[in-house]
Amino acid sequence: QSVLTQPPSVSGAPGQRVTISCTGSSSNIGAGYDVHWYQQLPGTAPKLLIYGNSNRPSGVPDRFSGSKSGTSASLAITGLQAEDEADYYCQSYDSSLSAFYVFGTGTKVTVL
Amino acid sequence: EVQLVESGGGLVQPGRSLRLSCTASGFTFGDYAMSWVRQAPGKGLEWVGFIRSKAYGGTTEYAASVKGRFTISRDDSKSIAYLQMNSLKTEDTAVYYCTISIAVADFDAFDIWGQGTMVTVSS
Repeated sequence: QSVLTQPPSVSGAPGQRVTISCTGSSSNIGAGYDVHWYQQLPGTAPKLLIYGNSNRPSGVPDRFSGSKSGTSASLAITGLQAEDEADYYCQSYDSSLSAFYVFGTGTKVTVL
Repeated sequence: EVQLVESGGGLVQPGRSLRLSCTASGFTFGDYAMSWVRQAPGKGLEWVGFIRSKAYGGTTEYAASVKGRFTISRDDSKSIAYLQMNSLKTEDTAVYYCTISIAVADFDAFDIWGQGTMVTVSS
């Protein structure tokens, strides 16, 4: 049902850099709509991590960064820490008839 | 403190109805659009629908999966948004979150979330 595709899982050792891709289409990311990223710790509500492709809300460490190009976007986590182990979702607007806003399929980040 | 609190979840039989509430505090509720997002057990996030503020007509939009069955409304005098769910199906089983965009309202991102309320549709 999700129209934004993410890898199911990524992993890295503490201190390493990991990236999560978010692939969309011409009706969402490719149409120029912004991409936002959320972090969801187990048993909790999602938390906004990146908005407007590359902006961090107040309080989000600068270890998290976002970028967008064409029909895809990416979230990078540098200096990976144990507390970064969580699920991550991208989100954008979609101009098709099926949904107004769409989320990615989600990526589980594991800290080795 | 800006806060959203959902309530009304529970166990309901297929085909029946349930109404969820989202009570807001700490900000001028009527100035903002309100969205509902759900998450089935072990699954990802799915946008359900939203209601615009009265300044933008108070109109609604829905995902195709719930259109015609779910209705979102708001009572700005009480700072509450509602999600009326009719003709419930087992696939509607999920945690339902209400969420809004306040500090990042220009970007259509959701920066405030409730804690969620669980809806289980089962006979």
